[in-house]
Amino acid sequence: EVQLVESGGGLVQPGGSLRLSCAASGFTFSNSDMHWVRQAVGKGLEWVSAIGTVGDTYYSDSVKGRFFVSRENARNSLHLQMNSLRAGDTAVYYCARIYFGTGAFDIWGQGTMVTVSS
Amino acid sequence: EIVMTQSPASLSVSPGERASLSCRASQTVNSNLAWYQQKPGQAPRLLIYGASTRATGIPARFSGSGSGTEFTLTISSLQSEDFAVYYCQQYNKWPEWTFGQGSKVEIK
Repeated sequence: EVQLVESGGGLVQPGGSLRLSCAASGFTFSNSDMHWVRQAVGKGLEWVSAIGTVGDTYYSDSVKGRFFVSRENARNSLHLQMNSLRAGDTAVYYCARIYFGTGAFDIWGQGTMVTVSS
Repeated sequence: EIVMTQSPASLSVSPGERASLSCRASQTVNSNLAWYQQKPGQAPRLLIYGASTRATGIPARFSGSGSGTEFTLTISSLQSEDFAVYYCQQYNKWPEWTFGQGSKVEIK
């Protein structure tokens, strides 16, 4: 079964750090562009970050310089290191796979909640 | 940044009726547009990519049309499981993937 499972969310104080992980199974992870998308409670979807198959990385302006995406192909894992967290980063974070040859997200994880609060 | 604007924000429809949702891009995205369905507490599900191609397993009652800056998602005969929030997303200008704000389809 094709699956993505996120972990690592939780409560963190403003200015703190958190590392999210996404475990992939059922497909060739190393051949897939992978993304992080977040959703604040009751709000819409916001693209956060992406990493290509060759390790090229991309970030939204709202997280650039604070968040860092990486991948471990040997472990079929995607990570998001989040530093200098702010209240506005509070959201459910989804990892998602790009459908090959398009820019659409065909596989999504169940999401992990990140709450930034004192 | 390409801004995606969806309308209406919410729509009340009776089961069996047709629903049409609109998505407008602030600049052309060609046919590089996707539609997603999201139910409460669930991750989004890909419905349409390439503006009009149904994703694997998506029923034929879902159809997408348009190109350039104007797009439409049509649900031909609403079923109970179709009541959800729908998002459009452009992937023409990367790395700036952007979503619309969503349209909620509610039971009338």
